[in-house]
Amino acid sequence: EVQLVQSGAEVKKPGESLRISCKGSGYSFTSYWISWVRQMPGKGLEWMGRIDPSDSYTNYSPSFQGHVTISADKSISTAYLQWSSLKASDTAMYYCARHHCGGDCQPFDYWGQGTLVTVSS
Amino acid sequence: QSVLTQPPSASGTPGQRVTISCSGSSSNIGSNTVNWYQQLPGTAPKLLIYSNNQRPSGVPDRFSGSKSGTSASLAISGLQSEDEADYYCAAWDDSLNGPYVVFGGGTKLTVL
Repeated sequence: EVQLVQSGAEVKKPGESLRISCKGSGYSFTSYWISWVRQMPGKGLEWMGRIDPSDSYTNYSPSFQGHVTISADKSISTAYLQWSSLKASDTAMYYCARHHCGGDCQPFDYWGQGTLVTVSS
Repeated sequence: QSVLTQPPSASGTPGQRVTISCSGSSSNIGSNTVNWYQQLPGTAPKLLIYSNNQRPSGVPDRFSGSKSGTSASLAISGLQSEDEADYYCAAWDDSLNGPYVVFGGGTKLTVL
């Protein structure tokens, strides 16, 4: 069974750093990209960026470039989303999702359960 | 402001047919396929329609999708109370330094 299991909810203060994780199982982790999607409270879905776990190639949405870092450790089938200095506006639910990219990129067929990040002083 | 444009809300009574539109541009819907996601309250999104009109295994045939030019639509026939959810269209966008995924702003479907 394909699963993406994300790390638990986090409560942080502005300026703190954070790394959340997404562990894949039930499939070949290096055969699918992992994307991260933000959902702010009461708002819609926003694509942040993606990583190819086979070689850690990444590309980011212009809206998130420079604000977050996406990485992966293929030896433990885990992708990460990281902030070096959180802001209150980073408060949101964050989802990881897998997709295949060959000639064309395919849809997000499996999603993680989400990680709620709350940033408050 | 989302790249893809959806109506913020839609509604219908049980048994009715409702449609949700999604408008984009030549760099996204015009040149790539459209996917639809359903997000039930308090849950992660789920793939509902892919490649414009394909249903993943387990999705009822009450759900259908179509695309024409730079627009797409999702139709739900035989509306049921459990269809009350947020629906998002999405497409890959071939803009500079992409590809990127772009989402619609979401449509909240209410079953009256």
